[in-house]
Amino acid sequence: KAGVTQTPRYLIKTRGQQVTLSCSPISGHRSVSWYQQTPGQGLQFLFEYFSETQRNKGNFPGRFSGRQFSNSRSEMNVSTLELGDSALYLCASSLLGTVGETQYFGPGTRLLVL
Amino acid sequence: EDQVTQSPEALRLQEGESSSLNCSYTVSGLRGLFWYRQDPGKGPEFLFTLYSAGEEKEKERLKATLTKKESFLHITAPKPEDSATYLCAVRGDSGYALNFGKGTSLLVTP
Repeated sequence: KAGVTQTPRYLIKTRGQQVTLSCSPISGHRSVSWYQQTPGQGLQFLFEYFSETQRNKGNFPGRFSGRQFSNSRSEMNVSTLELGDSALYLCASSLLGTVGETQYFGPGTRLLVL
Repeated sequence: EDQVTQSPEALRLQEGESSSLNCSYTVSGLRGLFWYRQDPGKGPEFLFTLYSAGEEKEKERLKATLTKKESFLHITAPKPEDSATYLCAVRGDSGYALNFGKGTSLLVTP
């Protein structure tokens, strides 16, 4: 079974620009979560989608948004990029997103903001 | 608020030298404790899920155990390919998100 895939793998942007990242979950998985990983803060939860609806959201500003499509693929968008947005953005999928269910991570998208 | 603390931050072992990594946690209503392995530049790779105190799981040279306050990841006779960052995360009643510790960076030398 193919794992979680993320595109692109690397991105370089400048301050003020916006960026869209894409995630395809494991086949059959309907819950998709996004995390930001930085050396200082570690992994932090951004949001979770299930059946095209955002069910949970972490403590990030409104510049961070996302959506999920009917085939469970998900995108996240960051507008008005700041230097501090440089990070590894990870997508994780699980079958239903129920509490206690294991989340499987993709390889991540490395974003560098200059 | 859920909290996860991993120790040590970094660990260097000789090949074959067994050791343990610690994950201390406070959570309201534990719904799962998760161990992941992460190689540089890659996403976390799932290792184990533990749900209740006393539970143990094993995979090759790794064994994870759980008490009411902490979890241990025991590494028996490690090999250089076990070098990675090991992440611990918990999920409780208070929310959906996985709460991660900062990880233990393990280096196994030949």
